Amino acid sequence: DIQMTQSPSSLSASVGDRVTITCRASQGISNFLAWYQQKPGKVPKLLIYAASTLQSGVPSRFSGSGYGTDFTLTISSLQPEDVATYYCQKYNSAPFTFGPGTKVDIK
Amino acid sequence: QVQLVESGGGLVKPGVSLRLSCAASGFTFGDYYMSWIRQAPGKGLEWVSYISDSGSTMYYAESVKGRFTISRDNAKNSLYLQLNSLRAEDTAMYFCAGSPDLLGAIDYWGQGTLVTVSS
Repeated sequence: DIQMTQSPSSLSASVGDRVTITCRASQGISNFLAWYQQKPGKVPKLLIYAASTLQSGVPSRFSGSGYGTDFTLTISSLQPEDVATYYCQKYNSAPFTFGPGTKVDIK
Repeated sequence: QVQLVESGGGLVKPGVSLRLSCAASGFTFGDYYMSWIRQAPGKGLEWVSYISDSGSTMYYAESVKGRFTISRDNAKNSLYLQLNSLRAEDTAMYFCAGSPDLLGAIDYWGQGTLVTVSS
């Protein structure tokens, strides 16, 4: 099975900072990659699908890129409401594995 | 509005069975590909199982294969997960989730139902 890794596992940044999270698949998955945001005590929310397509209603400061095995989620200007754990997920084939998550907080 | 409402969780002893249900409303359930995803306390998301729109195709995580069974009733707009031979490591919040595509990201999530396996 394809393994998903994320780095870093956590980060602390200042409001307004550019934040980048990396997700890596152990084998190529084309662009079948989604990013989710889970705020503390809340249900996960879809941010990006097909590696780079912004879900409707998601602020434009979020963006995604990548293809094959290496993907990134970027927050162009971190806001206090972005404090959350971010997960990537592959969906090219089962098992539809999630990455271990990256916890983002404000410095 | 779209709603996925899970039920059936609870505190059970190791080895017993449980059946989770998910009631869907606000969208055409029969057009959606559904999954169960779980999250152990303080841990990350773990995909558990998937069922196609018609119910003809199912997939399972290795950790639950042979113990859990996913099913759906499109006439009742409902998704189910039968959990057998429960173990302590199955303790988690179980989310019902849906995607509009055969191979697609999940855009609908329920609030979850908590399963606790403890003696």
